[in-house]
Amino acid sequence: AQSVTQLGSHVSVSEGALVLLRCNYSSSVPPYLFWYVQYPNQGLQLLLKYTSAATLVKGINGFEAEFKKSETSFHLTKPSAHMSDAAEYFCAVTGNAGGTSYGKLTFGQGTILTVHP
Amino acid sequence: DTEVTQTPKHLVMGMTNKKSLKCEQHMGHRAMYWYKQKAKKPPELMFVYSYEKLSINESVPSRFSPECPNSSLLNLHLHALQPEDSALYLCASSQDYGFYSYEQYFGPGTRLTVT
Repeated sequence: AQSVTQLGSHVSVSEGALVLLRCNYSSSVPPYLFWYVQYPNQGLQLLLKYTSAATLVKGINGFEAEFKKSETSFHLTKPSAHMSDAAEYFCAVTGNAGGTSYGKLTFGQGTILTVHP
Repeated sequence: DTEVTQTPKHLVMGMTNKKSLKCEQHMGHRAMYWYKQKAKKPPELMFVYSYEKLSINESVPSRFSPECPNSSLLNLHLHALQPEDSALYLCASSQDYGFYSYEQYFGPGTRLTVT
């Protein structure tokens, strides 16, 4: 079965600083990986997805993520944080977990990003 | 357009009430989902509909009853809920289910409070 671990439940950065949110996955088959963002009292918005076409994936709002198979990682980065980036970020994975669950999204526990002026 | 809409935005109900949550998408997606999200937790999958048929029920109590009247609509009927059922209920859709590269698009959610 696949799983996702997000390192750091809270990350705090200054405006203009690099954003790095960590995600490690466990999957017995090549995974499909996603990053979602959730602003307070809203639904989840897809930032980007990895589907094996390219290891460096660019998403919306200046975010990107790099798939590293050797490290089983899919960390999310943004060169320069904006106040509007303050939100909760979820890494998620799908893969063949067998049976009818093979399209199921498995989420990490989430990382709350705080951006200081 | 990648929009999933949900109504109502907020709902307060007593433990003896019957209410329904509604979800709609017009992207031609054939898979639709209900999730429950408690504060500071990731969404938990409740149900999956694929081609208007229930594909997955994650052992959800029978006081939650899903319905998929057509390919664009998904309802969640609520009856005799408990205070611990208070949460954000999210609907999502994807092009298909089982082809695991398809991303899910989420609605804004319904904030449910059970009193």
